[in-house]
Amino acid sequence: QKEVEQDPGPLSVPEGAIVSLNCTYSNSAFQYFMWYRQYSRKGPELLMYTYSSGNKEDGRFTAQVDKSSKYISLFIRDSQPSDSATYLCAMSALDSGNTPLVFGKGTRLSVIA
Amino acid sequence: GAVVSQHPSRVICKSGTSVKIECRSLDFQATTMFWYRQFPKQSLMLMATSNEGSKATYEQGVEKDKFLINHASLTLSTLTVTSAHPEDSSFYICSARPGFYNEQFFGPGTRLTVL
Repeated sequence: QKEVEQDPGPLSVPEGAIVSLNCTYSNSAFQYFMWYRQYSRKGPELLMYTYSSGNKEDGRFTAQVDKSSKYISLFIRDSQPSDSATYLCAMSALDSGNTPLVFGKGTRLSVIA
Repeated sequence: GAVVSQHPSRVICKSGTSVKIECRSLDFQATTMFWYRQFPKQSLMLMATSNEGSKATYEQGVEKDKFLINHASLTLSTLTVTSAHPEDSSFYICSARPGFYNEQFFGPGTRLTVL
């Protein structure tokens, strides 16, 4: 089993829809959870950063962590064509030091106008 | 804040030549930097972890003599692709981690084309 599983999609939704992106993980030591957005031919951009369980909201984006289920989600409300990108989840354990983040493979999202 | 730059953004070179890519953290000190490569429509593949003042740690399957990494200061890491071949053509992305934080901030990437 891979450490982080993420459905690669592609996911296609109409403009204005609520998008739900998800990752599951197997390592119970993971405490920090991130979502990155990557446009084509660009570097990933950090969208959301959460620690431990719970919800975090930033504008149209909500990140949710359920450590008991080892499941994280990113919700995008009122999706826009400009949200079309690949979304990567990433996570790390406490005191990770030099250990790199563990990434999901990314989900390709297309928002159709 | 937390801006990472890469230079050049795009490079085309002849087979057999060497190419150097720079990664800079512009507004923070990065004790650790990471180098990734990414093929079209594929996920990020970690190549190596670079720590300031010490040797880089390479992932399995990555040739350290081919991909030379130098992290000479807290704001600069370089990746040199030596004796480049067409199969080295890819999108190379660096990221930097400030101090003890867990987030990584990515550069915009460098597209390498080897003819």
